[in-house]
Amino acid sequence: QITLKESGPTLVKPTQTLTLTCTFSGFSLSTSGVGVGWIRQPPGKALEWLALVYWNDDKRYSPSLKSRLTISKGTSKNHVVLTMTNMDPVDTGTYFCAHRDLAAADDAFDIWGQGTMITVSS
Amino acid sequence: QSVLTQPPSVAAAPGQKVTISCSGTSSTIGNNYVSWYQQLPGAAPKLLIYDNNERPSGIPDRFSGSKSGTSATLGITGLQTGDEADYYCATWDSSLTAYVFGSGTQVTVL
Repeated sequence: QITLKESGPTLVKPTQTLTLTCTFSGFSLSTSGVGVGWIRQPPGKALEWLALVYWNDDKRYSPSLKSRLTISKGTSKNHVVLTMTNMDPVDTGTYFCAHRDLAAADDAFDIWGQGTMITVSS
Repeated sequence: QSVLTQPPSVAAAPGQKVTISCSGTSSTIGNNYVSWYQQLPGAAPKLLIYDNNERPSGIPDRFSGSKSGTSATLGITGLQTGDEADYYCATWDSSLTAYVFGSGTQVTVL
């Protein structure tokens, strides 16, 4: 059974750097075709894809946020870390991590974490 | 402003059918697979359809997907109160090299 869970601070100040960790189980990020992505959702608004890292360390970023984002496989085998610099109140929202398997569901995120709410405020 | 356009809302009575459209371009829907996600109130999104018309295991066949040119459609038959949710289409944007979501459609069961 694949599960993912996001963790990180609930409150960050403007200009600070946000660091989020996705802890997963039930799959290996060393398996060919597997990836983990991050998606966020401002309150009452649509989903927005942020970043994606694949088993081969191929990394993809949202063009509009690329300069602020870094995604990496964690030092532990079952973690993926996302950092976002220069946080602003408009970055407030729920941040999700999700599993992707090119061998199973091509371009889709098939399993999602529960999400973590991040508020940016001074 | 989403790259993929969906109607803000659709509504129908229990047991009826609804369809949700998702309009894109040749660099999005026209040349890539489309997925659909259901987001119940207060919950994480759930994959309903992938590869335009494939259902993950456990998704009932009341949910169906199709694609034609630069548009895609999600159909829900036998509408139930438990289907009240927001629905998002998504695909890869080859020109942006980014995964993009639609603007979302709220389904209401009357």
